[in-house]
Amino acid sequence: EPEVTQTPSHQVTQMGQEVILRCVPISNHLYFYWYRQILGQKVEFLVSFYNNEISEKSEIFDDQFSVERPDGSNFTLKIRSTKLEDSAMYFCASNEGKGTNYGYTFGSGTRLTVV
Amino acid sequence: RKEVEQDPGPFNVPEGATVAFNCTYSNSASQSFFWYRQDCRKEPKLLMSVYSSGNEDGRFTAQLNRASQYISLLIRDSKLSDSATYLCVVNRGTGGFKTIFGAGTRLFVKA
Repeated sequence: EPEVTQTPSHQVTQMGQEVILRCVPISNHLYFYWYRQILGQKVEFLVSFYNNEISEKSEIFDDQFSVERPDGSNFTLKIRSTKLEDSAMYFCASNEGKGTNYGYTFGSGTRLTVV
Repeated sequence: RKEVEQDPGPFNVPEGATVAFNCTYSNSASQSFFWYRQDCRKEPKLLMSVYSSGNEDGRFTAQLNRASQYISLLIRDSKLSDSATYLCVVNRGTGGFKTIFGAGTRLFVKA
C-alpha cells in the first residue's frame, strides 16, 4: 500500500534554532498538507499546498513557518526560529484530489521537541 | 461551541461488545465526513468515509444525520485491536483548512 514517509521520526532542537521536517507524499497525489498535534490535544491544520503554492493556511502558520516542494518528491516544513510551544508531533498528509470526499493519508509523523 | 464535538470517553468495553460513538458538528455547510482511528502516538488512519445513506465496512457502521448534524460510528464484536482513539472529521469544503478534527473518543477493549 502506498504510504507517506516522514523524516526524521524524532528531532530535538534548541529554542531559536531552525528545523526542517521532511515528507515524501504518495507519488500520484496532488494535494499536500501539514498538521500538528500537541501531546494530548487534537490534530490541528497548519497548511495545504497544491500546484507548487500554498492554497490555505491557518493562524498557527505564521511568518516563522514555510513550506517548499524543492523537487518532484519532497515536501518540507521549515520552522525558522523554534519556540518551546512548537513542541508537537508534526504530520504530513496527502490526498488525490480537491473533492470533498477524499480522505487523507498521513505520514507517521515527526516528534519535535524544543528545549 | 466547538465545531466538531465528541464524547472524550474513555469507553471501556469487553471483547465482543458493541460500542457506539457519537459526533456533532456545528457548521451546516459541512460537506463530507470521516472517521479516523489513531493509536497512541501514531498518525491518524482513515477508517471510513460517512455517506448520507449510511455505510458499513465489516464490523463498522457509520451513519450521518444532516438534519441533526450528527455522525455516529458503531463497532460490533469489539476486538482487543480496536483499542484506539476514534476521530470524527468534518470537511467544510475543499482544502485542508476546512477539514476539522474532533478531539477524539478513546476506546479500551478488555479481554
